[in-house]
Amino acid sequence: DAGVTQSPTHLIKTRGQQVTLRCSPKSGHDTVSWYQQALGQGPQFIFQYYEEEERQRGNFPDRFSGHQFPNYSSELNVNALLLGDSALYLCASGPPRTNSPLHFGNGTRLTVT
Amino acid sequence: GENVEQHPSTLSVQEGDSAVIKCTYSDSASNYFPWYKQELGKRPQLIIDIRSNVGEKKDQRIAVTLNKTAKHFSLHITETQPEDSAVYFCAAIPPGGGADGLTFGKGTHLIIQP
Repeated sequence: DAGVTQSPTHLIKTRGQQVTLRCSPKSGHDTVSWYQQALGQGPQFIFQYYEEEERQRGNFPDRFSGHQFPNYSSELNVNALLLGDSALYLCASGPPRTNSPLHFGNGTRLTVT
Repeated sequence: GENVEQHPSTLSVQEGDSAVIKCTYSDSASNYFPWYKQELGKRPQLIIDIRSNVGEKKDQRIAVTLNKTAKHFSLHITETQPEDSAVYFCAAIPPGGGADGLTFGKGTHLIIQP
């Protein structure tokens, strides 16, 4: 039973470019959340998807957008990249019940130069 | 929104001794408190969690206590081993998820000295 998988593992982009990160949730999970983890910090909530809709959103600008597909997989898109967007982007999935344990993927390390 | 404070930021203990990490939260409605362990370059892994209807939960060498009145919760690791060295994060979330999702503390770097 595969856990949460994310791709790619590493990515280098230039300021102003756009990036798409991908996530497949753990089997049996239908809720996907995205977090940004800067070096030496705790993960910061970006948004959560359930039933193909954004249900909750943290304090991130509209440059950050996402999508969830019928198979529960998800994408995180970031437009007009800034140097400050460099971070580890974590995807987490959970079962169809609120406040249940979240399972994280290994993350995508994004470097913006 | 929820705010979680975690301390200490770094904790060094001798192998075999106990380690305690403390967190406070601001939203009295929060009712779920997980703890994650993150080794260098790896994903955060859930090690234990507690809900607001219990005051303490234990799993082998790891225990978590919750004081709802004071709005703080703690992680206790007994008989520490070298493999316990990692960064530990506490987190809190209100019912229904809240606008901020799971709010994490800034992390504690636990160092086990041989």
